[in-house]
Amino acid sequence: GQQVMQIPQYQHVQEGEDFTTYCNSSTTLSNIQWYKQRPGGHPVFLIQLVKSGEVKKQKRLTFQFGEAKKNSSLHITATQTTDVGTYFCSGGYNKLIFGAGTRLAVHP
Amino acid sequence: NAGVTQTPKFQVLKTGQSMTLQCAQDMNHNSMYWYRQDPGMGLRLIYYSASEGTTDKGEVPNGYNVSRLNKREFSLRLESAAPSQTSVYFCASSEIRGQGYEQYFGPGTRLTVT
Repeated sequence: GQQVMQIPQYQHVQEGEDFTTYCNSSTTLSNIQWYKQRPGGHPVFLIQLVKSGEVKKQKRLTFQFGEAKKNSSLHITATQTTDVGTYFCSGGYNKLIFGAGTRLAVHP
Repeated sequence: NAGVTQTPKFQVLKTGQSMTLQCAQDMNHNSMYWYRQDPGMGLRLIYYSASEGTTDKGEVPNGYNVSRLNKREFSLRLESAAPSQTSVYFCASSEIRGQGYEQYFGPGTRLTVT
């Protein structure tokens, strides 16, 4: 069945450093979504990408969808302590498949 | 607008006991979902309901049943709880727009089975 893999599983950075997480699917995706989950919280939708090669920005966050629609990345510029949490990608139509997430720790 | 609400927030069960997790949404969404999240893992879909009156199995349905009571409510039942069902359970809802949709999650139910 379809699998969605994320790397790295965990990353810690110094505040101000950049951070990137990668998402790879075993099959072509119709769309990809990114969610953020703060420690002890619930996943919160960040963005959806649907077009091949699409790039979207939200302030310091940049999201990319690969040309083959099988991979995606989330890049955070100049991390802040408020960026702490786990970032999940998910793909699919009605039955979303989630990656295991990348946990980001930011040290002040 | 409360969004997605779940009850209870915490629950401890003994092996073999049964319970129902409740979920309600006030966004008039057609689709609703139940996920479980285990430590260090992503969310795994248990069951979903694409619209009122329909339910379908997800990735890990064994040991669970669901009821889509009406458009607002979607409940998850554990008939005979097992320690392997210790997890955090999230309910979510969405409305399909175009090629995709965003899911809105409830605060979760933290379930421990001893």
